[in-house]
Amino acid sequence: DAKTTQPPSMDCAEGRAANLPCNHSTISGNEYVYWYRQIHSQGPQYIIHGLKNNETNEMASLIITEDRKSSTLILPHATLRDTAVYYCIVRVEGDKIIFGKGTRLHILP
Amino acid sequence: GAVVSQHPSWVICKSGTSVKIECRSLDFQATTMFWYRQFPKQSLMLMATSNEGSKATYEQGVEKDKFLINHASLTLSTLTVTSAHPEDSSFYICSATPTGGGYGYTFGSGTRLTVV
Repeated sequence: DAKTTQPPSMDCAEGRAANLPCNHSTISGNEYVYWYRQIHSQGPQYIIHGLKNNETNEMASLIITEDRKSSTLILPHATLRDTAVYYCIVRVEGDKIIFGKGTRLHILP
Repeated sequence: GAVVSQHPSWVICKSGTSVKIECRSLDFQATTMFWYRQFPKQSLMLMATSNEGSKATYEQGVEKDKFLINHASLTLSTLTVTSAHPEDSSFYICSATPTGGGYGYTFGSGTRLTVV
């Protein structure tokens, strides 16, 4: 079973910041939080990952709460091409990645 | 960056035939690769973990005799759907992580299998 909980869908206006929440209350101390997204009929695309500290790259920012029980993925300026299903994942049993249901993000023009 | 190539991108086959899907890591070696299946409007379901030089590890409920996995080299894993039936029609996706660690999991672009 997936160890994360995400809202099933979200809307965001084009050009605005998209904030996608994720709960992972049972995360272990050495588990990372990963974010992937899947655009329709493609393989998942890596976005960002983190352990404790907030992270930022050219695609997004990841904010992890101090207790590590939740996190937020931020797409700073959403475009129509960001329409996808976003998956929040914590590493389980070594290398396996178990996907939950994800959040379907709709970017509104 | 790490690239995983999956081939073919789509295939149509007749019921009862077998189909082979290839997953290649193009610029890194992968001791371990993973195979997923995805039905329309559903999430990815892990089918099996493919280990170079050894038998694959299948998830509960996945028929290993139907979904044959071979990982003969550090850059190639294959999934063969044997005696395919219409219910096997799905989107199959592989992923790989570099040998020796690293945090990244790179996914292939997927194979759309349609059994008629």
